[in-house]
Amino acid sequence: GESVGLHLPTLSVQEGDNSIINCAYSNSASDYFIWYKQESGKGPQFIIDIRSNMDKRQGQRVTVLLNKTVKHLSLQIAATQPGDSAVYFCAENSRMDSSYKLIFGSGTRLLVRP
Amino acid sequence: NAGVMQNPRHLVRRRGQEARLRCSPVKGHSHVYWYRQLPEEGLKFMVYLQKENIIDESGMPKERFSAEFPKEGPSILRIQQVVRGDSAAYFCASSTSGGDNEQFFGPGTRLTVL
Repeated sequence: GESVGLHLPTLSVQEGDNSIINCAYSNSASDYFIWYKQESGKGPQFIIDIRSNMDKRQGQRVTVLLNKTVKHLSLQIAATQPGDSAVYFCAENSRMDSSYKLIFGSGTRLLVRP
Repeated sequence: NAGVMQNPRHLVRRRGQEARLRCSPVKGHSHVYWYRQLPEEGLKFMVYLQKENIIDESGMPKERFSAEFPKEGPSILRIQQVVRGDSAAYFCASSTSGGDNEQFFGPGTRLTVL
């Protein structure tokens, strides 16, 4: 759904630990999902995507899990590093009326403690 | 291999002035999207354009805002008679086509209305 003007939830992890960031999406008809990383003062950077015919996809140090039954996405980052500190957004491709706009979640700030 | 370019990076306007934000997509990309981001929030879709066509403007305010993507040159987001509530970061993204194709984001234009 639409994000609201609240302070971002924050996840604080120790360097080297694994991180799990969760996201609930709104549209059961969405069939393409993306995780973006946004560092301060920069635009969103693509991390990994997944289509609705899959429930898991792995990249380098990252894994995305999709649970369509409860409309839930998660991003797992293995061996979290200081450079992973950023705000993470999930996004769904709404495919409404032939538009391929992305609908973004409200974001989670990841802080990595050295 | 230039990515999405946006200029200016920072723009200061007084209430009532006009703001023009420019976006040059990745070379070869014919689909452009504009999003707005308020502090501590996710990106909100504004408009989706292809060359010389507006495909989806469902996220654009009905008044004062307009967008174009001409046959030649960058995409322009124009805000007339700016108000303080227009202060935000405006991001442009581009893709090769619609559908399940990665949207590449630019660095954004940070608009401040005094």
